[in-house]
Amino acid sequence: DAGVIQSPRHEVTEMGQEVTLRCKPISGHDYLFWYRQTMMRGLELLIYFNNNVPIDDSGMPEDRFSAKMPNASFSTLKIQPSEPRDSAVYFCASSFRTGGQGGGYTFGSGTRLTVV
Amino acid sequence: DAKTTQPTSMDCAEGRAANLPCNHSTISGNEYVYWYRQIHSQGPQYIIHGLKNNETNEMASLIITEDRKSSTLILPHATLRDTAVYYCIVIRRGSNYKLTFGKGTLLTVNP
Repeated sequence: DAGVIQSPRHEVTEMGQEVTLRCKPISGHDYLFWYRQTMMRGLELLIYFNNNVPIDDSGMPEDRFSAKMPNASFSTLKIQPSEPRDSAVYFCASSFRTGGQGGGYTFGSGTRLTVV
Repeated sequence: DAKTTQPTSMDCAEGRAANLPCNHSTISGNEYVYWYRQIHSQGPQYIIHGLKNNETNEMASLIITEDRKSSTLILPHATLRDTAVYYCIVIRRGSNYKLTFGKGTLLTVNP
C-alpha cells in the first residue's frame, strides 16, 4: 500500500497564478480530507468528501479556493488566483468510514506551497 | 465534540517511558479519544484510539480514566524519532466524522 499520495511535494508560484494540488487517496477509503497548516493557525480542515461528494466546505477560506473529487482515486485543490497568504503546507488525508486503517486517518506527505 | 487540554511541551529521556496527559472533562458517552502525532515536516500519523477501555498497539498504550475525563498516552521506550507534536482529539464517530486539531504537546526526547 503506497499510502496517500500528494503531488507536487513543493510548489513555488507567483502571486496571481493558478495552483493545483493533487491527491490520490488509499484505495477503498471513502472519506477524503484537505487540510492546511501554517505556523499561525496550525492544522485547519478545509473541506472533506464522502464517496466523492463534498460534505463540508466550511473551512475553505474564500472563493479563490475550490476542490473537486471526480472519482474515488483522485482529488484536486485549486487556488485561483493565488496570494502570498496562501503559503502553507497542504495535506490530504483519507479514511474508511469506520475510521480508517487502525481507526484513524492516513495523511499524505503534504505539498509545501510558496506564493511569492 | 469535547474540548481537550494538553501541556504545551514535555521532555523525556531516551529509553524511558513518555507519558503524555490529556484532559477532556466534557467528553460524552459516544465520543472517542484519538491520538495522532506529527513529526517535523511530515503529515500527522495516527497512533491509537479508545472509548473507555485501555488500549495497546505496537506504537503505544492509551490509558483512559474510569470517569473518562482524562487519558494518558504512553510511549514505553521513547526514542529520538519519537520527538514530535502529539495531538489528543475527542470525536464523536458518526456522520460528522472530521478531526479538529488543537495545538498538541511538543514531546522532545533527549539523548
